[in-house]
Amino acid sequence: EPEVTQTPSHQVTQMGQEVILRCVPISNHLYFYWYRQILGQKVEFLVSFYNNEISEKSEIFDDQFSVERPDGSNFTLKIRSTKLEDSAMYFCASKSGTVQETQYFGPGTRLLVL
Amino acid sequence: EDQVTQSPEALRLQEGESSSLNCSYTVSGLRGLFWYRQDPGKGPEFLFTLYSAGEEKEKERLKATLTKKESFLHITAPKPEDSATYLCAALLTGGGNKLTFGTGTQLKVEL
Repeated sequence: EPEVTQTPSHQVTQMGQEVILRCVPISNHLYFYWYRQILGQKVEFLVSFYNNEISEKSEIFDDQFSVERPDGSNFTLKIRSTKLEDSAMYFCASKSGTVQETQYFGPGTRLLVL
Repeated sequence: EDQVTQSPEALRLQEGESSSLNCSYTVSGLRGLFWYRQDPGKGPEFLFTLYSAGEEKEKERLKATLTKKESFLHITAPKPEDSATYLCAALLTGGGNKLTFGTGTQLKVEL
């Protein structure tokens, strides 16, 4: 069964450093998302991406964040200058099209900013 | 403000003891209601999508139902392997494609 994959599974970084989180969405899916979950809190939407551009972003997704689909398979989230409060689980999700609404999530990357 | 609320926050059941989890939503318009299962340290695993009031979906020991104000996840004769956090999420009309999640119900099924 096709699944969303994410790398790395864990990332530890120093405050102010740049991190790139990588995702391989399900093949043939057209819509891509990033969500995050701070420990003990609810899953929060960050950004959605379709047709090579951001279609929607939340207030959390400020200028420190960016997304990219560098090739036909990868989808990345970059945090330019990490802050302590960026520590969270980051989930990538993908959806096949407009008729099928279900988003399928990856296993997540646990980011710890020290 | 659009809100998704789940109750109870935590639930402890004995194996075989059936129960229901609640997801209530106060949103401007609902396009779809989703249930996910989340194991510790893992990503949400898709269970069900419900689109209209009166709709029901079933899978093994789980059944999801939807009304105009809430959704229920019924667990029949649960087993210890059903222990997980169950998340519901709403897809809103006019809300693009983002999911609005509830805080989840942490279910523990004991022998």
